[in-house]
Amino acid sequence: NAGVTQTPKFQVLKTGQSMTLQCAQDMNHNSMYWYRQDPGMGLRLIYYSASEGTTDKGEVPNGYNVSRLNKREFSLRLESAAPSQTSVYFCATKMPGQGNTEAFFGQGTRLTVV
Amino acid sequence: AQSVTQPDIHITVSEGASLELRCNYSYGATPYLFWYVQSPGQGLQLLLKYFSGDTLVQGIKGFEAEFKRSQSSFNLRKPSVHWSDAAEYFCAVGSYNTDKLIFGTGTRLQVFP
Repeated sequence: NAGVTQTPKFQVLKTGQSMTLQCAQDMNHNSMYWYRQDPGMGLRLIYYSASEGTTDKGEVPNGYNVSRLNKREFSLRLESAAPSQTSVYFCATKMPGQGNTEAFFGQGTRLTVV
Repeated sequence: AQSVTQPDIHITVSEGASLELRCNYSYGATPYLFWYVQSPGQGLQLLLKYFSGDTLVQGIKGFEAEFKRSQSSFNLRKPSVHWSDAAEYFCAVGSYNTDKLIFGTGTRLQVFP
């Protein structure tokens, strides 16, 4: 039972390159989230998905796209990476509720854009 | 829109001392409040949560938190800190009408022997 799995764990990109961060969960949760964590900024919500086939913008969506093709997987894509996107990215999942359910996090992807 | 403020960026305590980490929230209705802990290089783990009822909630690892509506606060406490408690702590708020979870900026706890 892996919970929430993120790949890759580390990545270095050149400015302008594209890449996709993968997240998969085996917890049968409907809701999935992408956050970025930056020093002094805490975790900021990029996108979230309440269910398969639906996505919504969070606090900082610019420069990112997401895809929720099935219940298990929620990917985050950087089409043209910028140094400002250097960060640690976390995927999270939770059961849907009225805001009162616990979120479970992956181990993070540390991305550096040079 | 909901928001969370953690006024202390960095706190240092001696092992065995008591601890209080501050969290203030902004939300128009009854909030759902959480404290998470992040050890170095790790993801986030839930310490405790408040939804309703008793305003003093107990969590894992000996932590507790008290919800004070009049002060819009949800401070985390521990009576005696252990060196293994050194980590970053995040307060978060969820809302009734969305499924978003909004985090504060975090407090880094350092524990001296």
